[in-house]
Amino acid sequence: AQKVTQAQTEISVVEKEDVTLDCVYETRDTTYYLFWYKQPPSGELVFLIRRNSFDEQNEISGRYSWNFQKSTSSFNFTITASQVVDSAVYFCALSEAGNTGFQKLVFGTGTRLLVSP
Amino acid sequence: KAGVTQTPRYLIKTRGQQVTLSCSPISGHRSVSWYQQTPGQGLQFLFEYFSETQRNKGNFPGRFSGRQFSNSRSEMNVSTLELGDSALYLCASSLERYTGELFFGEGSRLTVL
Repeated sequence: AQKVTQAQTEISVVEKEDVTLDCVYETRDTTYYLFWYKQPPSGELVFLIRRNSFDEQNEISGRYSWNFQKSTSSFNFTITASQVVDSAVYFCALSEAGNTGFQKLVFGTGTRLLVSP
Repeated sequence: KAGVTQTPRYLIKTRGQQVTLSCSPISGHRSVSWYQQTPGQGLQFLFEYFSETQRNKGNFPGRFSGRQFSNSRSEMNVSTLELGDSALYLCASSLERYTGELFFGEGSRLTVL
């Protein structure tokens, strides 16, 4: 069965600090996809990144970076020089390949990030 | 371009009633999926529609149903409401089923009294 674990319920940092959000997943499939979404107070989930199981390259996008390690089943997300606007709940999610498409995601419980000025 | 639009944004119902929630996907998007978000269970997949056909269904009772129209708009219905159905219901759309990027609406917050 698929499972995504985000052990950090809430993280508080001061602006400009770096912060890493952890994500550990479980799946029996060899082909799968991992996602990160951001949920600001307004409620909608905002897509941040998708990674497939064959691509372990780390990715950097501005202040955001992702570290995917199959050996430890982890897909961690780092925000460098955090800003108040980064305050939100962040969700890690998993989707297995096959005919299920990318719509059926299994989400972690989320990590609430609070960045104070 | 307009995002995913969900109506109503807030609603209050009583136990035993039924409710219909609406979702208008981004123009051109053909896949619509629904998720339930609660503090206790988190985000859970309800179902997915593509080309007016249900393609996937989550582990929810038959009281939860949905449909998709020819213009890709979707509705979900919950009958015989229970207190535990109180949740934020999120709709998401994507161009196709395998694009990997879901665009979510702001949700419909249902309170069951």
